[in-house]
Amino acid sequence: NAGVTQTPKFQVLKTGQSMTLQCAQDMNHEYMSWYRQDPGMGLRLIHYSVGAGITDQGEVPNGYNVSRSTTEDFPLRLLSAAPSQTSVYFCASTRGSGSPTYEQYFGPGTRLTVT
Amino acid sequence: AQSVTQLDSHVSVSEGTPVLLRCNYSSSYSPSLFWYVQHPNKGLQLLLKYTSAATLVKGINGFEAEFKKSETSFHLTKPSAHMSDAAEYFCVVSDRGNYKLSFGAGTTVTVRA
Repeated sequence: NAGVTQTPKFQVLKTGQSMTLQCAQDMNHEYMSWYRQDPGMGLRLIHYSVGAGITDQGEVPNGYNVSRSTTEDFPLRLLSAAPSQTSVYFCASTRGSGSPTYEQYFGPGTRLTVT
Repeated sequence: AQSVTQLDSHVSVSEGTPVLLRCNYSSSYSPSLFWYVQHPNKGLQLLLKYTSAATLVKGINGFEAEFKKSETSFHLTKPSAHMSDAAEYFCVVSDRGNYKLSFGAGTTVTVRA
């Protein structure tokens, strides 16, 4: 198992550009989520999905879109990048139902800089 | 609603001395609690988790944490720090039945030789 994979590892964007951060998992997990990490703030939930075709907003959803067409993939789209979106982005997944502890598995992260 | 407060933003210890990282939580339901570690420029690794079985939870690399419901705390300890323990540590809570994780702001641990 590769676990949770994310691409790219690093990205630099100019203000106003759009891009998609890719996330994939090969563990057949139902639940997937995106977090951003900023210094002194821990990780904050952007969007999450409880299964294919179902997504919902987290704590800081503005400026981001998601879709979940398959169980494996959960891409995060930045519609019009802003300097405030400079951050490290982590994708996570968990088995969901049948997993009482909801332990989540994290990808290696994407470091995004918006200039 | 769920939330976590990590009481120390930075902890500095000497190698071979005990480490204590403090965490208080708030949860509307019976919580799941976790400690994650993040080494510089790396992803997050699960240290240990509380599942409502034993209140004293043992994790990897000699870490353990005790769930105290009366104090709403889940402090992380290690009897003897090693240089490789230098990292950032996150206390995390989720309400049972809720997939969403709430992270604390993190505690940076430095280990002095």
